[in-house]
Amino acid sequence: KQEVTQIPAALSVPEGENLVLNCSFTDSAIYNLQWFRQDPGKGLTSLLLIQSSQREQTSGRLNASLDKSSGRSTLYIAASQPGDSATYLCAAADYNTDKLIFGTGTRLQVFP
Amino acid sequence: SAVISQKPSRDICQRGTSLTIQCQVDSQVTMMFWYRQQPRQSLTLIATANQGSEATYESGFVIDKFPISRPNLTFSTLTVSNMSPEDSSIYLCSVEDKWESSDNEQFFGPGTRLTVL
Repeated sequence: KQEVTQIPAALSVPEGENLVLNCSFTDSAIYNLQWFRQDPGKGLTSLLLIQSSQREQTSGRLNASLDKSSGRSTLYIAASQPGDSATYLCAAADYNTDKLIFGTGTRLQVFP
Repeated sequence: SAVISQKPSRDICQRGTSLTIQCQVDSQVTMMFWYRQQPRQSLTLIATANQGSEATYESGFVIDKFPISRPNLTFSTLTVSNMSPEDSSIYLCSVEDKWESSDNEQFFGPGTRLTVL
């Protein structure tokens, strides 16, 4: 059974720092891995999707990498801003069923 | 990407009652899903809403408690029946459009925040 974990659970940093959020999954048979952002009490915003055949994806200040063999993905946030404050969730898509298994989330606070 | 709306955005309900949540998409999509996010927890898949047939439920979720309808390719409802305080959660629908993309990317609605007293 796929299990997805994220570390750290919470992170508080000053504005301008470069950040790395980690996501680990136990079963490498994934179709893709998605990173989402969730603001308090809100839905999820899709940030990046990495297909199982890809190594990384970039969007603006965000870069996500995927290493299936080690069961890890990282989300890199460059030059963090207070507006980046949110919970970041990763989710692994099962290869056969498309079902998303979500990680536990990293709650990020960027202070001015 | 598809634009997804949910109604209501939030509600406060009494125990023993039922609430129906609606999910509307602005375009036809192949797959629709319902998730629950309990306080300070991550998301858990409740079921896959199948168009024109019974939903496919995940382990721990049953049709009597969470009946789901999907009458067409743009709309689905989730009912939370005979509610108890343990049902207090955010309920989210998501969609995946295999006609539009083969990426299997899911997009989420804004969620419905339910509080049961």
